[in-house]
Amino acid sequence: KNQVEQSPQSLIILEGKNCTLQCNYTVSPFSNLRWYKQDTGRGPVSLTIMTFSENTKSNGRYTATLDADTKQSSLHITASQLSDSASYICVVSASGGYNKLIFGAGTRLAVHP
Amino acid sequence: GAGVSQSPRYKVAKRGQDVALRCDPISGHVSLFWYQQALGQGPEFLTYFQNEAQLDKSGLPSDRFFAERPEGSVSTLKIQRTQQEDSAVYLCASSRSRGARGYGYTFGSGTRLTVV
Repeated sequence: KNQVEQSPQSLIILEGKNCTLQCNYTVSPFSNLRWYKQDTGRGPVSLTIMTFSENTKSNGRYTATLDADTKQSSLHITASQLSDSASYICVVSASGGYNKLIFGAGTRLAVHP
Repeated sequence: GAGVSQSPRYKVAKRGQDVALRCDPISGHVSLFWYQQALGQGPEFLTYFQNEAQLDKSGLPSDRFFAERPEGSVSTLKIQRTQQEDSAVYLCASSRSRGARGYGYTFGSGTRLTVV
């Protein structure tokens, strides 16, 4: 069964600190992996998207890694800001057909001053 | 429009009432998806349209759920005889390419449905 598991479920950090969120998946065949940020009451917004051949991608203070062999990804946030408080969702696209997206449950991050 | 627009933003329905949720995708986007997101969970797939054709409705939880996109642009998700377990945020997403592979995949802000 295609699944995406994220950890931790929730995380509290102090402003200015770094953190790393984890994603494990069992989706096959694999097309790409995306990280989304979802603010409360808003729709998810794409941060990064990586294909099989990419093992790291950055977007400002966000850096995603992908290990396609172990089927693991991480999202590293550097020098956190209060505005980083949100849910971060790992999404894997299965190739074939219309590339259905499989969503993780998300990690809820709270950045405190 | 500049983004995916969903209306209403909030809907409170009495149990047994019918509701209709609207999605205006980005102009020209071929693909349109509906998702259901329970509190504290990731979105769950409901249905997929390519233009006006509904190519996958396998995620619709029951025959009380119905979606349409008659002219290949605006889409409506209808829920008949709402029940409390239907309470969730309903997200719409659109993409300029066929399917979900495209980098232009964009979500709306969702409609929060509460059934009382």
